[in-house]
Amino acid sequence: DAMVIQNPRYQVTQFGKPVTLSCSQTLNHNVMYWYQQKSSQAPKLLFHYYDKDFNNEADTPDNFQSRRPNTSFCFLDIRSPGLGDAAMYLCATSGPPLNEKLFFGSGTQLSVL
Amino acid sequence: TQLLEQSPQFLSIQEGENLTVYCNSSSVFSSLQWYRQEPGEGPVLLVTVVTGGEVKKLKRLTFQFGDARKDSSLHITAAQPGDTGLYLCAGAQRNAGNMLTFGGGTRLMVKP
Repeated sequence: DAMVIQNPRYQVTQFGKPVTLSCSQTLNHNVMYWYQQKSSQAPKLLFHYYDKDFNNEADTPDNFQSRRPNTSFCFLDIRSPGLGDAAMYLCATSGPPLNEKLFFGSGTQLSVL
Repeated sequence: TQLLEQSPQFLSIQEGENLTVYCNSSSVFSSLQWYRQEPGEGPVLLVTVVTGGEVKKLKRLTFQFGDARKDSSLHITAAQPGDTGLYLCAGAQRNAGNMLTFGGGTRLMVKP
């Protein structure tokens, strides 16, 4: 019954080595989000797609990129991970009518060595 | 300065105790949501409140939206170890395209 699926659950990468996190959804929601969450803090929005329209938060580093090839899939690319990028990365979706309620995946815990 | 201030940040209580978590803002929200997040998992929506003064109950959890739609509270009666987790409030504003603003979270630990 999983509706927002993130892979992998745990990802280890090396400092500076590009890494891609993936998210898929079976809800057919038009909005997909990527959040970064550090230990015991609130999720921080990195960017979101409204259909194919990409919306970047002003303080999201250029090191973070995203792709949404179709409605179901969304990817987070970290071009050159630093130690400070170690965090839980959460994908979420929302749909009509008001796009207010978020459905989160289980997250990918990223470690940077 | 966070748009939504949650308090307390941390709460450690014994099983059976009652507790209240607060979510305050100087801004008006069209709706406010509460999520619970368990370790290693994504947040799960508990409730959405929309109308000023609204009270919603979910078993032992009572959620209230302030009359002015600027604040909310979550009250848990007779807390159980299964209530342990990070509680997040999140407000939506129509003039911001209904994008959610999260509070800082309250980490609750209920000891058996």
